[in-house]
Order: sequence, then structure tokens, then C-alpha cells
Amino acid sequence: QSVLTQPPSVSGAPGQRVTISCTGSSSNLGADYDVHWYQQVPGAAPKLLIHHNTHRPSGVPDRFSGSKSGTSASLTITGLQADDEADYYCQSFDNRLVFGGGTKLTVL
Amino acid sequence: QVQLRQSGPGLLKPSETLSLTCTVSGASINIGGYYWTWIRQVPGKGLEWIGYIFYNGRASYNPSLTSRLNISRDTSKNQFSLTLTSVTGADAAVYYCARNYDVFGGLDVWGQGTTVTVSS
Repeated sequence: QSVLTQPPSVSGAPGQRVTISCTGSSSNLGADYDVHWYQQVPGAAPKLLIHHNTHRPSGVPDRFSGSKSGTSASLTITGLQADDEADYYCQSFDNRLVFGGGTKLTVL
Repeated sequence: QVQLRQSGPGLLKPSETLSLTCTVSGASINIGGYYWTWIRQVPGKGLEWIGYIFYNGRASYNPSLTSRLNISRDTSKNQFSLTLTSVTGADAAVYYCARNYDVFGGLDVWGQGTTVTVSS
């Protein structure tokens, strides 16, 4: 049981927009701790996609954006591409680093 | 460019001790305020924070592992290591080392991962 809750899967067609939610509680997201997002393709380590709620590391396309409000956060991907197909994880802090259970994005 | 390279055995028997090392290049582990972290991922499951060692040598552990866990460093080799004693099947996972620049997260550099299997 993950501390942060994500939908197990989402899907979208190429070019579409998808949003992945991350729900926490008053002891993590609601306590004003930031959320970070990672993309993981099969067989590889996770890659930092969004940090501190809304910031993209250098090299991450602006098709990826993040937001946070209260006890919830979301990752939005616009202009969906085939190579966006991956698992996505949110992460925050709750006395330790905590993660969501991951969301598998399928590009139809 | 900072890179993390993991090493260590991937096959253990129950009750043995897991020892993994992460060699850092492109940055010094005792400079800069970074947290040098271990994460694990049970296949098909989510990510779990194991612990970290701070640039000043202070370590912090996941409470669920603290009785079996030690994270140490060798600054002369620019390495940090994980030791987990008395492993069981529940410890089988892919283990990653990573760096975060903020205790609250944002793991910006990751090692390649080590698959650890526990089998008699």
C-alpha cells in the first residue's frame, strides 16, 4: 500500500493530452511538501521528470508539466508520443521519501 | 556530468548479508550538501526509500529496515555502500543508488540498478 495514490493505468492516443493524478494526505502533500515525478521505461532506472511540483530538469520537453494543490498533484503530458509509454511515479516526503504506486501510461 | 555506478552480488541465500556499492564520478560525495540515497523496487511494484548518507557522513534509514541496515561511505574512493543483514525473500528487488539535492526529494541522478535475488 503506497503512501501516495496514483491510478494504475492511463491511456491516450498520439497527440492527445493525459493527466496522471497523485493523491496524498495532510502529512505529506498537505503539509506543503513538494511533489516530484519520475518516468521509468522497462529495464531502466527512473528518470526525474518534474521536481518541486512544477520544474522541469534540463532536457525534459515542455510537453510535461506538473501542478500541486492541497493534498493532490498531477502530471500532464500534452502532444502524446509513442515513446512516452512508460511508468510514472510521484514522490514526496512524509518523515521519509515516499512514492506513489506508479501509473502505467499506454499510448494507443 | 555526475554518474553513479553500482556494483555488488545479485544472488544471495536467505540469512546472508547484502552488500552493494555505488561509485560516484563527476562529483565528490563529501562536498555540496547532497544526499546519497538507496532506493529499491520489487519487480512489478513501486519504489521504496531505503536510506541515505549525507555529504557530512550522517545517515538516515527507513524505520522498517533500520535494525538490519547500514549505509556507509569511503570518501577516498568516492563511494557509498549499503549493507543489509539477514536477507529474506522480501528483500528481493532491484536496488538503485541515487542522489538528491534536497532531503525532501528530487532524485536527479540514478545508478543503473542491481537486481538482487534471494534463493536457497
